[in-house]
Amino acid sequence: GAVVSQHPSWVICKSGTSVKIECRSLDFQATTMFWYRQFPKQSLMLMATSNEGSKATYEQGVEKDKFLINHASLTLSTLTVTSAHPEDSSFYICSATNLKINYGYTFGSGTRLTVV
Amino acid sequence: SQQGEEDPQALSIQEGENATMNCSYKTSINNLQWYRQNSGRGLVHLILIRSNEREKHSGRLRVTLDTSKKSSSLLITASRAADTASYFCATDELYSGGGADGLTFGKGTHLIIQP
Repeated sequence: GAVVSQHPSWVICKSGTSVKIECRSLDFQATTMFWYRQFPKQSLMLMATSNEGSKATYEQGVEKDKFLINHASLTLSTLTVTSAHPEDSSFYICSATNLKINYGYTFGSGTRLTVV
Repeated sequence: SQQGEEDPQALSIQEGENATMNCSYKTSINNLQWYRQNSGRGLVHLILIRSNEREKHSGRLRVTLDTSKKSSSLLITASRAADTASYFCATDELYSGGGADGLTFGKGTHLIIQP
Protein backbone atom coordinates (compact mmCIF):
# COMPACT_ATOMS: atom_id res chain seq x y z
CA GLY A 1 0.00 0.00 0.00
CA ALA A 2 0.88 3.69 -0.14
CA VAL A 3 3.53 4.76 2.35
CA VAL A 4 4.41 8.25 3.53
CA SER A 5 7.57 8.84 5.49
CA GLN A 6 7.89 11.87 7.74
CA HIS A 7 11.16 13.03 9.23
CA PRO A 8 12.20 13.80 11.87
CA SER A 9 9.82 12.07 14.28
CA TRP A 10 10.73 14.53 16.98
CA VAL A 11 12.83 17.67 17.25
CA ILE A 12 13.76 20.11 19.99
CA CYS A 13 14.91 23.55 18.94
CA LYS A 14 15.71 26.86 20.52
CA SER A 15 13.40 29.84 20.26
CA GLY A 16 14.16 31.92 17.19
CA THR A 17 15.60 29.11 15.11
CA SER A 18 14.00 27.44 12.10
CA VAL A 19 13.07 23.79 11.76
CA LYS A 20 12.43 21.83 8.58
CA ILE A 21 10.15 18.80 8.47
CA GLU A 22 10.14 16.48 5.48
CA CYS A 23 7.30 14.44 4.11
CA ARG A 24 8.02 11.86 1.42
CA SER A 25 5.74 9.55 -0.49
CA LEU A 26 7.79 6.40 -0.87
CA ASP A 27 5.93 4.32 -3.41
CA PHE A 28 3.64 6.72 -5.19
CA GLN A 29 3.70 10.19 -6.65
CA ALA A 30 1.80 12.64 -4.50
CA THR A 31 0.04 15.29 -6.53
CA THR A 32 -1.21 16.88 -3.35
CA MET A 33 0.21 16.99 0.15
CA PHE A 34 -1.39 18.35 3.29
CA TRP A 35 0.05 19.60 6.55
CA TYR A 36 -1.86 19.32 9.81
CA ARG A 37 -1.11 20.51 13.32
CA GLN A 38 -2.31 18.89 16.48
CA PHE A 39 -2.05 20.46 19.92
CA PRO A 40 -2.08 18.17 22.96
CA LYS A 41 -5.40 16.44 23.53
CA GLN A 42 -6.92 18.20 20.55
CA SER A 43 -7.84 17.20 17.04
CA LEU A 44 -5.92 17.70 13.82
CA MET A 45 -6.28 21.04 12.13
CA LEU A 46 -5.45 21.46 8.47
CA MET A 47 -2.76 24.09 8.02
CA ALA A 48 -2.16 24.08 4.30
CA THR A 49 -2.56 22.21 1.05
CA SER A 50 0.25 22.00 -1.47
CA ASN A 51 0.13 20.85 -5.04
CA GLU A 52 3.35 19.87 -6.74
CA GLY A 53 4.95 22.81 -8.49
CA SER A 54 2.60 25.46 -7.17
CA LYS A 55 2.27 27.65 -4.11
CA ALA A 56 0.63 26.22 -1.04
CA THR A 57 -2.87 27.22 -0.04
CA TYR A 58 -3.04 28.14 3.62
CA GLU A 59 -6.04 27.82 5.89
CA GLN A 60 -7.38 30.91 7.55
CA GLY A 61 -5.28 31.99 10.50
CA VAL A 62 -2.13 30.15 9.41
CA GLU A 63 0.78 32.49 8.74
CA LYS A 64 2.34 31.61 5.41
CA ASP A 65 5.55 33.48 6.21
CA LYS A 66 5.98 31.50 9.38
CA PHE A 67 5.12 28.08 8.01
CA LEU A 68 6.92 27.78 4.70
CA ILE A 69 5.79 24.91 2.54
CA ASN A 70 7.66 23.64 -0.48
CA HIS A 71 6.39 20.90 -2.74
CA ALA A 72 9.08 20.87 -5.38
CA SER A 73 8.67 17.27 -6.49
CA LEU A 74 5.96 14.65 -6.65
CA THR A 75 7.47 12.75 -3.75
CA LEU A 76 8.63 15.44 -1.34
CA SER A 77 7.04 18.28 0.56
CA THR A 78 8.73 20.23 3.32
CA LEU A 79 7.36 22.38 6.11
CA THR A 80 9.73 24.91 7.61
CA VAL A 81 8.76 26.55 10.87
CA THR A 82 10.62 29.83 10.84
CA SER A 83 11.66 31.78 13.90
CA ALA A 84 10.05 29.17 16.10
CA HIS A 85 8.49 30.14 19.41
CA PRO A 86 7.30 27.95 22.28
CA GLU A 87 3.70 28.36 21.13
CA ASP A 88 4.68 26.60 17.89
CA SER A 89 5.36 23.46 19.90
CA SER A 90 2.96 20.92 18.51
CA PHE A 91 2.58 17.65 16.64
CA TYR A 92 2.80 18.18 12.89
CA ILE A 93 1.45 15.52 10.51
CA CYS A 94 1.57 15.39 6.75
CA SER A 95 -0.58 13.41 4.39
CA ALA A 96 -0.37 12.77 0.69
CA THR A 97 -2.65 11.74 -2.11
CA ASN A 98 -2.67 11.26 -5.87
CA LEU A 99 -6.03 12.11 -7.33
CA LYS A 100 -5.07 10.90 -10.78
CA ILE A 101 -4.89 7.32 -9.54
CA ASN A 102 -7.44 7.78 -6.79
CA TYR A 103 -5.19 7.15 -3.81
CA GLY A 104 -6.77 7.89 -0.49
CA TYR A 105 -5.10 10.06 2.08
CA THR A 106 -1.95 8.45 3.45
CA PHE A 107 -0.54 9.97 6.62
CA GLY A 108 3.01 10.30 7.82
CA SER A 109 3.86 9.26 11.37
CA GLY A 110 4.08 12.85 12.57
CA THR A 111 6.76 15.13 14.02
CA ARG A 112 6.75 16.28 17.61
CA LEU A 113 8.22 19.79 17.70
CA THR A 114 9.27 21.26 21.03
CA VAL A 115 10.56 24.82 21.07
CA VAL A 116 12.49 25.77 24.21
CA SER B 1 -12.08 23.91 7.64
CA GLN B 2 -14.91 23.15 9.99
CA GLN B 3 -14.62 20.44 12.53
CA GLY B 4 -17.26 17.92 13.25
CA GLU B 5 -18.37 16.98 16.69
CA GLU B 6 -17.78 13.64 18.28
CA ASP B 7 -19.34 12.23 21.33
CA PRO B 8 -18.56 11.19 23.82
CA GLN B 9 -15.31 13.11 24.25
CA ALA B 10 -14.13 10.40 26.59
CA LEU B 11 -15.33 6.86 27.16
CA SER B 12 -14.16 4.33 29.71
CA ILE B 13 -15.43 0.75 29.56
CA GLN B 14 -14.49 -2.69 30.75
CA GLU B 15 -12.60 -5.07 28.51
CA GLY B 16 -14.99 -7.22 26.53
CA GLU B 17 -17.71 -4.61 26.35
CA ASN B 18 -18.70 -2.83 23.16
CA ALA B 19 -17.71 0.79 22.56
CA THR B 20 -19.77 3.16 20.46
CA MET B 21 -18.56 6.53 19.30
CA ASN B 22 -20.55 9.04 17.30
CA CYS B 23 -19.54 11.75 14.88
CA SER B 24 -21.50 14.57 13.28
CA TYR B 25 -20.38 16.77 10.45
CA LYS B 26 -21.63 19.85 8.68
CA THR B 27 -21.08 19.62 4.93
CA SER B 28 -21.81 17.30 2.04
CA ILE B 29 -19.15 14.63 1.79
CA ASN B 30 -17.56 12.15 -0.58
CA ASN B 31 -16.68 9.78 2.22
CA LEU B 32 -16.08 9.54 5.93
CA GLN B 33 -13.13 7.82 7.56
CA TRP B 34 -12.28 6.72 11.05
CA TYR B 35 -8.76 6.85 12.43
CA ARG B 36 -7.13 5.70 15.62
CA GLN B 37 -4.31 7.53 17.32
CA ASN B 38 -2.31 6.16 20.19
CA SER B 39 -0.95 8.79 22.54
CA GLY B 40 1.64 10.95 20.79
CA ARG B 41 1.71 8.77 17.71
CA GLY B 42 0.58 8.98 14.11
CA LEU B 43 -2.79 8.07 12.69
CA VAL B 44 -3.90 4.57 11.87
CA HIS B 45 -6.59 4.35 9.20
CA LEU B 46 -9.40 2.09 10.36
CA ILE B 47 -12.19 2.20 7.84
CA LEU B 48 -13.66 4.33 5.06
CA ILE B 49 -17.33 4.56 4.24
CA ARG B 50 -18.52 6.25 1.09
CA SER B 51 -21.43 8.65 0.98
CA ASN B 52 -23.60 6.11 -0.83
CA GLU B 53 -22.96 3.41 1.78
CA ARG B 54 -24.90 3.04 4.99
CA GLU B 55 -22.94 0.43 6.89
CA LYS B 56 -19.56 -1.20 6.70
CA HIS B 57 -17.77 -3.87 8.69
CA SER B 58 -14.13 -4.65 9.21
CA GLY B 59 -13.25 -7.26 11.81
CA ARG B 60 -14.52 -6.00 15.16
CA LEU B 61 -15.40 -2.61 13.68
CA ARG B 62 -18.79 -1.56 12.43
CA VAL B 63 -19.37 1.86 10.93
CA THR B 64 -22.68 3.41 10.00
CA LEU B 65 -23.33 6.54 8.01
CA ASP B 66 -26.52 8.58 7.89
CA THR B 67 -26.07 11.35 5.34
CA SER B 68 -29.52 12.77 6.04
CA LYS B 69 -28.50 13.41 9.64
CA LYS B 70 -24.86 14.07 8.73
CA SER B 71 -23.72 11.58 11.31
CA SER B 72 -21.70 8.41 11.66
CA SER B 73 -21.03 5.90 14.37
CA LEU B 74 -18.13 3.59 15.08
CA LEU B 75 -18.78 0.44 17.06
CA ILE B 76 -15.92 -1.63 18.43
CA THR B 77 -17.12 -5.00 19.63
CA ALA B 78 -15.50 -7.16 22.29
CA SER B 79 -13.10 -4.39 23.25
CA ARG B 80 -9.52 -5.14 24.28
CA ALA B 81 -7.03 -3.18 26.35
CA ALA B 82 -5.06 -2.54 23.16
CA ASP B 83 -8.03 -0.60 21.78
CA THR B 84 -7.25 2.19 24.25
CA ALA B 85 -6.60 5.21 22.03
CA SER B 86 -8.18 8.34 20.61
CA TYR B 87 -10.55 7.85 17.72
CA PHE B 88 -11.26 10.50 15.12
CA CYS B 89 -13.71 10.72 12.30
CA ALA B 90 -12.62 12.65 9.23
CA THR B 91 -14.68 13.78 6.30
CA ASP B 92 -13.61 14.23 2.72
CA GLU B 93 -15.83 17.07 1.65
CA LEU B 94 -17.64 17.13 -1.66
CA TYR B 95 -15.50 19.39 -3.81
CA SER B 96 -16.57 20.37 -7.27
CA GLY B 97 -13.24 21.87 -8.31
CA GLY B 98 -11.62 18.54 -9.12
CA GLY B 99 -8.86 19.01 -6.60
CA ALA B 100 -8.17 17.57 -3.18
CA ASP B 101 -9.32 19.56 -0.19
CA GLY B 102 -7.82 17.74 2.77
CA LEU B 103 -9.73 16.02 5.52
CA THR B 104 -11.80 17.70 8.20
CA PHE B 105 -11.34 15.95 11.51
CA GLY B 106 -13.75 15.63 14.36
CA LYS B 107 -12.65 16.49 17.86
CA GLY B 108 -12.12 12.87 18.76
CA THR B 109 -13.15 10.42 21.43
CA HIS B 110 -10.62 9.21 23.95
CA LEU B 111 -11.39 5.56 24.65
CA ILE B 112 -10.04 3.78 27.69
CA ILE B 113 -10.48 0.03 27.99
CA GLN B 114 -10.05 -1.13 31.55
CA PRO B 115 -8.68 -4.66 31.95
